Amino acid sequence: QVTLRESGPALVRPTQTLTLTCTFSGFSLSTNKMCVNWVRQPPGKALEWLARIDWDDDKYYSTSLKTRLTVSKDTSKNQVVLTMTNMDPVDTATYYCARIVAGPDYFDYWGQGTLVTVSS
Amino acid sequence: QSVLTQPPSVSAAPGQKVTISCSGSSSNIGSHYVSWYRQLPGTAPKLLIYENNKRPSGIPDRFSGSKSGTSATLGITGLQTGDEADYYCGTWDTSLSAGWVFGGGTKLTVL
Repeated sequence: QVTLRESGPALVRPTQTLTLTCTFSGFSLSTNKMCVNWVRQPPGKALEWLARIDWDDDKYYSTSLKTRLTVSKDTSKNQVVLTMTNMDPVDTATYYCARIVAGPDYFDYWGQGTLVTVSS
Repeated sequence: QSVLTQPPSVSAAPGQKVTISCSGSSSNIGSHYVSWYRQLPGTAPKLLIYENNKRPSGIPDRFSGSKSGTSATLGITGLQTGDEADYYCGTWDTSLSAGWVFGGGTKLTVL
């Protein structure tokens, strides 16, 4: 049974760095073709893909946010960490982590999401 | 503004059929599989269609997907009030830099 769960602060101050952790079970990120992504959704708005890390440590970032994002994995802990620097109120959103199997490339499992509010 | 274009909203009566379009380009839909997701209010998206037209186990055959060129379509027949949700298309994009792209989402209202 595959599960993913996001964790991190609910409130972040402007200009601070956000660190989110995705803890997953039911698969290993050392297994061929496994990938974990981050997706966010501002209140009332559309889904926005942020980043992806693959089993072989390849990383991909949203073009518009790549200067602010870093994704990393700890295979032994079954965790993926996303950091986003210089947070702004427009970054207020629900942040999801989700699994993709490379090749067919579709999100087959999602976490429940965590709401991050950026406010002073 | 999303890379993939979807109508903001569609509506139909219970029991009827509705289609939701998703338009892209040669760097995304034109060269990669499309998947569709349904999002009920306050919940995470859920996979509906993958590899253009395949349904995961547990998704009824009322849901169908197709792709032609740089466009894809989600079809839903036998509409139920429980189908009211936001629907998103998505695919990989290999334009300037590789990344995943979503449509802007379509709100389905079952009248």
